[in-house]
Amino acid sequence: AQTVTQSQPEMSVQEAETVTLSCTYDTSENNYYLFWYKQPPSRQMILVIRQEAYKQQNATENRFSVNFQKAAKSFSLKISDSQLGDTAMYFCALAAGNKLTFGGGTRVLVKP
Amino acid sequence: GAGVSQTPSNKVTEKGKYVELRCDPISGHTALYWYRQSLGQGPEFLIYFQGTGAADDSGLPNDRFFAVRPEGSVSTLKIQRTERGDSAVYLCASSFPSGSSYEQYFGPGTRLTVT
Repeated sequence: AQTVTQSQPEMSVQEAETVTLSCTYDTSENNYYLFWYKQPPSRQMILVIRQEAYKQQNATENRFSVNFQKAAKSFSLKISDSQLGDTAMYFCALAAGNKLTFGGGTRVLVKP
Repeated sequence: GAGVSQTPSNKVTEKGKYVELRCDPISGHTALYWYRQSLGQGPEFLIYFQGTGAADDSGLPNDRFFAVRPEGSVSTLKIQRTERGDSAVYLCASSFPSGSSYEQYFGPGTRLTVT
C-alpha cells in the first residue's frame, strides 16, 4: 500500500516570491513515479511536474522544481516567481502500478 | 485535440436514487481511471480499465458502485441506491498506455450531490 502526506493545508505567497510545498510518501515499491498536480477552481487536474524515482537529478519545469530525497521519502515542490495564476490546490501523487495515490492537498494563494 | 470530457458537470439526486456518470477519454487512450474526490481531500482511486475490462476495481467502496467500458472507449460509472456520503466530485482520467510512467489526463469531473 502507498501513502502520501501533505502537512501544509494552506500557504500564501506574495507575487514574484518563492514558495515551497512539502510532501512525504511511503511505498514498498522500488520502481515508482512522483507527480505534482495543480487543481484550480475549475476542478481540472493539471500535471505540473513528474519525477522518476530511479533518477537522482531533480526535475524542473520552467518556474517549478522539485527536491526529491529518496532515502527520506520526501518530494517537495518549489514555485519560483509566483504568479497570480498559480493560485490553486496542489496535490502530490505517487504512482506504483496503474493508479495514483494522492495526498490531501495544499491550497496556495498568491497575493498581489 | 479534445481532452477528457465528463457529463453531466453537476448532478443532484435524492437519496436512494440511481445515477450514471459518463466519461469520454482522449481518443486512442487505452487506459481509463475513475477517482472520487470528497470535499477538502485528494482524489481516491476507484477503478481502472485497460481496454474493455476492469483491470483493478479495488477502490470501489461497495457493491452499489459499478463501472463499465463496453467498447473500450466511453465509460459509465453507475451508483445504485445513492447515499448522502456518496456526494463528491467524480474524476475520470485516461492515459496511453497504462503504467506508472504515463501521464494521466484528467477530465473536469462530475460533482454529485445526494440530498
